[in-house]
Amino acid sequence: EAQVTQNPRYLITVTGKKLTVTCSQNMNHEYMSWYRQDPGLGLRQIYYSMNVEVTDKGDVPEGYKVSRKEKRNFPLILESPSPNQTSLYFCASTGYSTDTQYFGPGTRLTVL
Amino acid sequence: KNEVEQSPQNLTAQEGEFITINCSYSVGISALHWLQQHPGGGIVSLFMLSSGKKKHGRLIATINIQEKHSSLHITASHPRDSAVYICAGNSNYQLIWGAGTKLIIKP
Repeated sequence: EAQVTQNPRYLITVTGKKLTVTCSQNMNHEYMSWYRQDPGLGLRQIYYSMNVEVTDKGDVPEGYKVSRKEKRNFPLILESPSPNQTSLYFCASTGYSTDTQYFGPGTRLTVL
Repeated sequence: KNEVEQSPQNLTAQEGEFITINCSYSVGISALHWLQQHPGGGIVSLFMLSSGKKKHGRLIATINIQEKHSSLHITASHPRDSAVYICAGNSNYQLIWGAGTKLIIKP
């Protein structure tokens, strides 16, 4: 089954404690991206990757890092999380040969 | 002014009504997506349009490239259609998001 998986689905953490949210897709997609969704602000892109070892900043990259060492994985790293990073995070992927964007189930992060 | 604007922001209707959600964009895009987000949070891609019209079951999406406008229609609406519907413009594989339309269908 074609899918994008994210882990964890829910996370409560404290300020400054490094965390990683994993994202993996099984469709051999070239393009992957991370979004955060906040009430009243909609979805905003954090980072995106056009292919392995190719990443670029989206609209709100501050406080986040990503890596794309393998085609299937695109982890989101928060080196020192802060309360303003409390949000719902989505990973998405698409390929050059497909029209459809596939979304992960979301990760609800709370930073205390 | 947002580059992708949706209307209405909120829509409540009775079961069976014909629903229209509108999306206007002011930037150059190669395609427009319609997505559905249920209360649980998951996002599902409904349509991707670059021209004309697409239909899937009770859902119909249209786009007018010259007018930079797209509409999503739901025929014979049902309470299970209650969700947030989001349009997003595709520009170089990046999505420019609308704010979403919260649809509630009452039985």
